[in-house]
Amino acid sequence: TQLLEQSPQFLSIQEGENLTVYCNSSSVFSSLQWYRQEPGEGPVLLVTVVTGGEVKKLKRLTFQFGDARKDSSLHITAAQPGDTGLYLCAGVPADYVGAGNMLTFGGGTRLMVKP
Amino acid sequence: DADVTQTPRNRITKTGKRIMLECSQTKGHDRMYWYRQDPGLGLRLIYYSFDVKDINKGEISDGYSVSRQAQAKFSLSLESAIPNQTALYFCATSDRARGTDTQYFGPGTRLTVL
Repeated sequence: TQLLEQSPQFLSIQEGENLTVYCNSSSVFSSLQWYRQEPGEGPVLLVTVVTGGEVKKLKRLTFQFGDARKDSSLHITAAQPGDTGLYLCAGVPADYVGAGNMLTFGGGTRLMVKP
Repeated sequence: DADVTQTPRNRITKTGKRIMLECSQTKGHDRMYWYRQDPGLGLRLIYYSFDVKDINKGEISDGYSVSRQAQAKFSLSLESAIPNQTALYFCATSDRARGTDTQYFGPGTRLTVL
């Protein structure tokens, strides 16, 4: 069982539709990040949220960190084919005691937006 | 030019062979990481290094070893490759000066072990 569970695992939608991707845990996180990965490339950071209840917007993408810092969501408005990719959430558990801020990753949501 | 480069980009090898994957970075970051990616499992940490003299095992280090030859170079070795090491491997870097550990990934190496 992964510390961060993402849902859905796969999502195929038409251009113009809205969607929400979820990242859930039973553990508290110091911060959560969202990455997007395109085929043949490594993940690229989209956003970092650090405060419970925090909402950040990046053009048509809205990211929210849960009040209890155990979950996060990514909402895309009017999806476009360019949004196609693998979306990964990653976070630093609040009870992590090792050196540095070590990320743990969710399993990812593979999004396909059809024209 | 890419900030984090990985070589080779693709490799097919046979069971029992020794394989080395190389990573170089021009970002000047102290911290470097090796991950493997399998479908549905996200990224899992193999090894990480916070500076040239600091090497640490990650979640799935068995069957792997690493070498930090310089601040800019971090290589991953599979001493005797086995088929379940078939995966996509990513190198990443981060800057210790940042409060949150933003990681910068290379383009990945697709490894197939027959």
